[in-house]
Amino acid sequence: GAGVSQSPSNKVTEKGKDVELRCDPISGHTALYWYRQSLGQGLEFLIYFQGNSAPDKSGLPSDRFSAERTGGSVSTLTIQRTQQEDSAVYLCASSDPGQGKNIQYFGAGTRLSVL
Amino acid sequence: GNSVTQMEGPVTLSEEAFLTINCTYTATGYPSLFWYVQYPGEGLQLLLKATKADDKGSNKGFEATYRKETTSFHLEKGSVQVSDSAVYFCALIKNTGGFKTIFGAGTRLFVKA
Repeated sequence: GAGVSQSPSNKVTEKGKDVELRCDPISGHTALYWYRQSLGQGLEFLIYFQGNSAPDKSGLPSDRFSAERTGGSVSTLTIQRTQQEDSAVYLCASSDPGQGKNIQYFGAGTRLSVL
Repeated sequence: GNSVTQMEGPVTLSEEAFLTINCTYTATGYPSLFWYVQYPGEGLQLLLKATKADDKGSNKGFEATYRKETTSFHLEKGSVQVSDSAVYFCALIKNTGGFKTIFGAGTRLFVKA
């Protein structure tokens, strides 16, 4: 597609439920990133995929968080047993580092509210 | 490790005022430096970038110069507009050993008419 697409745009869930957030990167972009942005806060890096390399999971806050990227394209971020502190905007970005540009293109985000 | 430090906000200015948002970084090697902007209700988008020392990135009247000697990349605009109200993020990316981007905490700018 023309840009990075994220779905859903808003998600309201109950504490303890699992949620899945989806990211469709720009076609051809080999790098994909997930970030979390809490209200009034900066960007918290979560996980980074680059091509077929093992993902950099160093930013995942707990083992309740996981992400996968199927076929080098679409990515799903899963949060199990959600907690209220998981409420935030989850941003996805993709880039094409092979072109030496390293510019990240962001989706509009998924706003997660855990009640 | 690599890090980016931005001035804390919010920054409140009147229209046509001069803007400076300070950004300093810590990194090994020679990173590329970026400013991203996030308008209300939107995702981040690239504002400008610089890939080597003394480069000046510019866009929409904003400028930033890559200063290796002071490890800084301060964002400036000579005359801000109400439409510049947004959150501004300074970021770096190492050009070797992976491409993970390190973002600063963001600086919120309010411009009053």
